[in-house]
Amino acid sequence: QQQVKQSPQSLIVQKGGISIINCAYENTAFDYFPWYQQFPGKGPALLIAIRPDVSEKKEGRFTISFNKSAKQFSLHIMDSQPGDSATYFCAASKSEHSGAGSYQLTFGKGTKLSVIP
Amino acid sequence: ETGVTQSPTHLIKTRGQQVTLRCSSQSGHNTVSWYQQALGQGPQFIFQYYREEENGRGNFPPRFSGLQFPNYSSELNVNALELDDSALYLCASSADRLEPQHFGDGTRLSIL
Repeated sequence: QQQVKQSPQSLIVQKGGISIINCAYENTAFDYFPWYQQFPGKGPALLIAIRPDVSEKKEGRFTISFNKSAKQFSLHIMDSQPGDSATYFCAASKSEHSGAGSYQLTFGKGTKLSVIP
Repeated sequence: ETGVTQSPTHLIKTRGQQVTLRCSSQSGHNTVSWYQQALGQGPQFIFQYYREEENGRGNFPPRFSGLQFPNYSSELNVNALELDDSALYLCASSADRLEPQHFGDGTRLSIL
């Protein structure tokens, strides 16, 4: 059972455009939603994260929008640059203090973003 | 500040062998999580260690085992290697269980 569904699988955006990646989750116990960026041959790097008490978080050109009722969240990359070309992963976790599954990140399958000049 | 470091970077093994992968957590971090990333997929949680004790395990068989040392570094051991174990193994550390996880660059394990 895939608990975090990510779309699209791949995305091509013109330089200066807006890249939008969407994720949907099933487990209502999830309360932490990070986005990671991964370049070939490297580990995932934390970009930005949100908790359900806010509907939007912005850091530089990166914005997370969160819709708790729809169980969806998305990453917007404004003014996309060729250097943003990478694979992006959404993830989710729950912060229970006991029991199996606490704190483990459940990842989507990733979106390969290509920003063309 | 030194980030998460993993060794070795690449490893080739044959079916049935055993392997040990190592991870040095970021300074000040007491929590280490291990993930398996198959080609073209997102990382899958294997297990997490918090202050030297296992704090959760994903859907992996018992031949995947781990250890965390007093300095919070960690090992991942895999016995009886199978072809499907070929993947990038990622270690992530965090300042505490509730804190963001920061990943190393992984160990690429190939099983022949």
